[in-house]
Amino acid sequence: ERVMTQSPASLSVSPGERVTLSCRASQSVTTNLAWYQQKPGQVPRLLMYGASTRATGFPARFSGSGSGTEFTLTISSLQSEDFAVYYCQQYNNWPFTFGGGTKVEIK
Amino acid sequence: QVQLVESGGGVVQPGRSLRLSCAASGFPFGSYGMHWVRQAPGKGLEWLAVILSDGDTEYYADSVKGRFTISRDNSKNTLYLQMNSLRVEDTAVYYCAKGTSGFDSWGQGNMVIVSS
Repeated sequence: ERVMTQSPASLSVSPGERVTLSCRASQSVTTNLAWYQQKPGQVPRLLMYGASTRATGFPARFSGSGSGTEFTLTISSLQSEDFAVYYCQQYNNWPFTFGGGTKVEIK
Repeated sequence: QVQLVESGGGVVQPGRSLRLSCAASGFPFGSYGMHWVRQAPGKGLEWLAVILSDGDTEYYADSVKGRFTISRDNSKNTLYLQMNSLRVEDTAVYYCAKGTSGFDSWGQGNMVIVSS
């Protein structure tokens, strides 16, 4: 099983700041890596797939990079609507696995 | 548009069974693998199971293997999750989801509470 480890578990950020979230896989998942955004009380929403392709509806301030075992989600200038929990997920091997999430909070 | 509507959740005693359903519409259901994902209260997402479009291939998370069974009825555009020998730690919101490169559509979630 591919274990996905996200860091940090949480961070406090001011609007307008740049944010970088990390996701590490225990073994290579090539670029079969997705990111999700989940706001309180809401269903998770696909944000990024193929490690670096933005899903429909997300603005260009979101970018993803990485391959193999190291991945990064960057928000170039955090907006108020971006405060949420972000999860990575590998879909390269069964069982698919999620990381534990990173909570982005308002400073 | 794609719609996934779960039903069948509720409160059940430990050791009992429950079956969740997920009614799909807005896309060619029979052409897609379908997944179940859960989220315990205040916790992260946990992938549980997938059934591929052929209906014959299934994969499970170790935490539910042997207790949960995923199935589908393509004639009814419906996905199922049969949950047996339920445990307190199975308490969670259960989501069905669709997608091949990440899950691009999710149901609204269905709460299952396992409690005596």
